[in-house]
Amino acid sequence: AQSVTQPDIHITVSEGASLELRCNYSYGATPYLFWYVQSPGQGLQLLLKYFSGDTLVQGIKGFEAEFKRSQSSFNLRKPSVHWSDAAEYFCAVGEGGYNKLIFGAGTRLAVHP
Amino acid sequence: EAGVVQSPRYKIIEKKQPVAFWCNPISGHNTLYWYLQNLGQGPELLIRYENEEAVDDSQLPKDRFSAERLKGVDSTLKIQPAELGDSAVYLCASSLGRRGTDTQYFGPGTRLTVL
Repeated sequence: AQSVTQPDIHITVSEGASLELRCNYSYGATPYLFWYVQSPGQGLQLLLKYFSGDTLVQGIKGFEAEFKRSQSSFNLRKPSVHWSDAAEYFCAVGEGGYNKLIFGAGTRLAVHP
Repeated sequence: EAGVVQSPRYKIIEKKQPVAFWCNPISGHNTLYWYLQNLGQGPELLIRYENEEAVDDSQLPKDRFSAERLKGVDSTLKIQPAELGDSAVYLCASSLGRRGTDTQYFGPGTRLTVL
């Protein structure tokens, strides 16, 4: 069965530091991969997505992610974190090509000033 | 463009009471989803509609949960009777179509507390 693992439950970084959030997936075919962000009291907002092609994808708010098939990973990165990036981040894999998303448990990001 | 609208945003009820959540998707979006998000977890799909047809309700606990999407636009999710374990956030999402490449847009959710 398809699954998504986000190994880090909580991450704390200093403002201005770089960030990498890890995501590993289990999926038999070429996956559709997504990163969403959820701020307190808000719905999930799509940061970026990967379907095919260039394995390095750019998203909103300065985020990028790299698809590595050999490692079954889709890690999210940002070169310099801002205090407003504090939120919960969810990685998801699209199942079966018909838009059923399987989410990881999320990583909560805290940003120190 | 208005996003996905959900109401109420918060609901507190006692166990065994009924409760209903309402969702209005983005205009023109044919596919609508209800997700359950437990504390500290990612969302899990409860039911997916294509227009007014429920095409994937395999994760919906049908003994107490029901949903409808009359006229293929807005949707209601109901729980009757509610149990303590139903305390969670209920998210609604919509997408233009059912393809894997169609982005799902999420509403703010309804936080349910069952006492």
